[in-house]
Amino acid sequence: DAKTTQPPSMDCAEGRAANLPCNHSTISGNEYVYWYRQIHSQGPQYIIHGLKNNETNEMASLIITEDRKSSTLILPHATLRDTAVYYCIVPRGGSQGNLIFGKGTKLSVKP
Amino acid sequence: DSGVTQTPKHLITATGQRVTLRCSPRSGDLSVYWYQQSLDQGLQFLIQYYNGEERAKGNILERFSAQQFPDLHSELNLSSLELGDSALYFCASSPRWDRPEAFFGQGTRLTVV
Repeated sequence: DAKTTQPPSMDCAEGRAANLPCNHSTISGNEYVYWYRQIHSQGPQYIIHGLKNNETNEMASLIITEDRKSSTLILPHATLRDTAVYYCIVPRGGSQGNLIFGKGTKLSVKP
Repeated sequence: DSGVTQTPKHLITATGQRVTLRCSPRSGDLSVYWYQQSLDQGLQFLIQYYNGEERAKGNILERFSAQQFPDLHSELNLSSLELGDSALYFCASSPRWDRPEAFFGQGTRLTVV
């Protein structure tokens, strides 16, 4: 997979927006950015993905910079249940079915 | 509920034994993935099947094997088990092989004693 860099941990106050950054400076033109999260010992959960344009669904928004070298996952109103490890993944071209998980960002939402 | 079913949820077995983990993908999904998660290794991709054929292989040991059956369910076989094989094993499925909007099961926790 294209290498991604995420901060190891972040805190967020409950009710506030959580903005999780990801750098993927070696991304190729046809490679998507995927976000997953894993709540302690549960199966990872798909959140959102995007190619060039910003994307929004019921869970989150994904903002991708114009040069596509970085992105930000936004949880608009974080709750305690959003405490999890968040993974930014760029599956490599030609094997785009593979999700290679790095270390992710441990998001702690605090009351 | 992701729609992906894994059985059993928990498994305790002795070193040297062989076990089979089972995964039923979401209805209509053709692609199945297997992952291993141990405390010190994070989520490790093992293998992917698409419509019965092996599509990609990751860090899967030779003692491990998998297959996907015509009804699309998949099995992961682990043999000659060692203490270090104790881990959570996750299965995921997605509709396509090249677009991993994958949905994960709740995992099988394997303990080798």
